[in-house]
Amino acid sequence: SQQGEEDPQALSIQEGENATMNCSYKTSINNLQWYRQNSGRGLVHLILIRSNEREKHSGRLRVTLDTSKKSSSLLITASRAADTASYFCATALMDSSYKLIFGSGTRLLVRP
Amino acid sequence: ETGVTQTPRHLVMGMTNKKSLKCEQHLGHNAMYWYKQSAKKPLELMFVYNFKEQTENNSVPSRFSPECPNSSHLFLHLHTLQPEDSALYLCASSRGSGGAEETQYFGPGTRLLVL
Repeated sequence: SQQGEEDPQALSIQEGENATMNCSYKTSINNLQWYRQNSGRGLVHLILIRSNEREKHSGRLRVTLDTSKKSSSLLITASRAADTASYFCATALMDSSYKLIFGSGTRLLVRP
Repeated sequence: ETGVTQTPRHLVMGMTNKKSLKCEQHLGHNAMYWYKQSAKKPLELMFVYNFKEQTENNSVPSRFSPECPNSSHLFLHLHTLQPEDSALYLCASSRGSGGAEETQYFGPGTRLLVL
């Protein structure tokens, strides 16, 4: 079974709305990261949240982490058509911080 | 541009061919990674190199052979592949210092089709 699982698998919203994606994981982590991937391209790092942090902001992105529930959420506010992409959470395990375990991703479609 | 380049961007090969994928990073990083991304599957970590030494082989079949001649270059040699090996192969790099906050920088990937 995989370490990270995103929910929902796909999300379609209107431009201007907020998008929320969730990630659950199974084992203790050093940190959790979110990445974005445009269709058929490489992944781009968005934000990292440490295991002792509960919330972090970067521009229109807000990430929360609940280590007791082993879950994280990524909120994109005031979405734009250019936010259309797949979003992945990745966990850095306690014993191997440079090795990331990626989830299966959420495909976000922002309709203009 | 992430500072990580991959060539070729697209590759079509027969099952008996031998080909190589190349990755180069211009970020001064010491860790490099190969991932396989198949349709509707999570990103699969294949190999990890840290300071040119292989530190992870995620049970990858021997028809995939990695090579890391220095910290800036990583190759994936392909031989006798199967159609199910068709996928997007992504290379990434990170500082590799073993610190608590390693973020990875990805190349654009090589789209491989095995006929």
